[in-house]
Amino acid sequence: KAGVTQTPRYLIKTRGQQVTLSCSPISGHRSVSWYQQTPGQGLQFLFEYFSETQRNKGNFPGRFSGRQFSNSRSEMNVSTLELGDSALYLCASRDPNSPLHFGNGTRLTVT
Amino acid sequence: DQQVKQNSPSLSVQEGRISILNCDYTNSMFDYFLWYKKYPAEGPTFLISISSIKDKNEDGRFTVFLNKSAKHLSLHIVPSQPGDSAVYFCAASDPGGGADGLTFGKGTHLIIQP
Repeated sequence: KAGVTQTPRYLIKTRGQQVTLSCSPISGHRSVSWYQQTPGQGLQFLFEYFSETQRNKGNFPGRFSGRQFSNSRSEMNVSTLELGDSALYLCASRDPNSPLHFGNGTRLTVT
Repeated sequence: DQQVKQNSPSLSVQEGRISILNCDYTNSMFDYFLWYKKYPAEGPTFLISISSIKDKNEDGRFTVFLNKSAKHLSLHIVPSQPGDSAVYFCAASDPGGGADGLTFGKGTHLIIQP
């Protein structure tokens, strides 16, 4: 089976812009989660989607949003980018009662 | 407020010896714990997990120990190999599959010396 695929791998954006990141989960996995990794804060939970519904949400401002499509693919959007949004954004998918399988992430740099 | 803490940012171990990575948690509701390994430019890879009803789980060279009274878990790697050099993250979830997602520590960079 192919692993979790995230596109693009790298992005450079300017403050105030918005960005959309994409994630294709492992085939058959219906749960998709997003995490932000920064040097200072480590990995922090953004949100989880299951069957096109947001099931859980972390402690992030409303500028961070996501959605999931009927084929379980997911997108994450960040609006009005700030310098502090520079991070590695990781997508993960799983079966019920199985551990998360992560993609290789999208490295976002905000200048 | 950091609920999962890995107090050693880095650890250097000689090849062939035992590597012991430690993790402490504060939330007594956590009932499932995992270790992930991360190489540069890759996503974290699941290594091993343990439920709070157990105090030990073993998988090949990797063993995780859980001390609930001390709210402490550790990952033992024996023997350590050069390919084990990576960042190791400890993670925890609460009952119900982690309503707030997994809570991760900030990681320990393990360096295996030849």
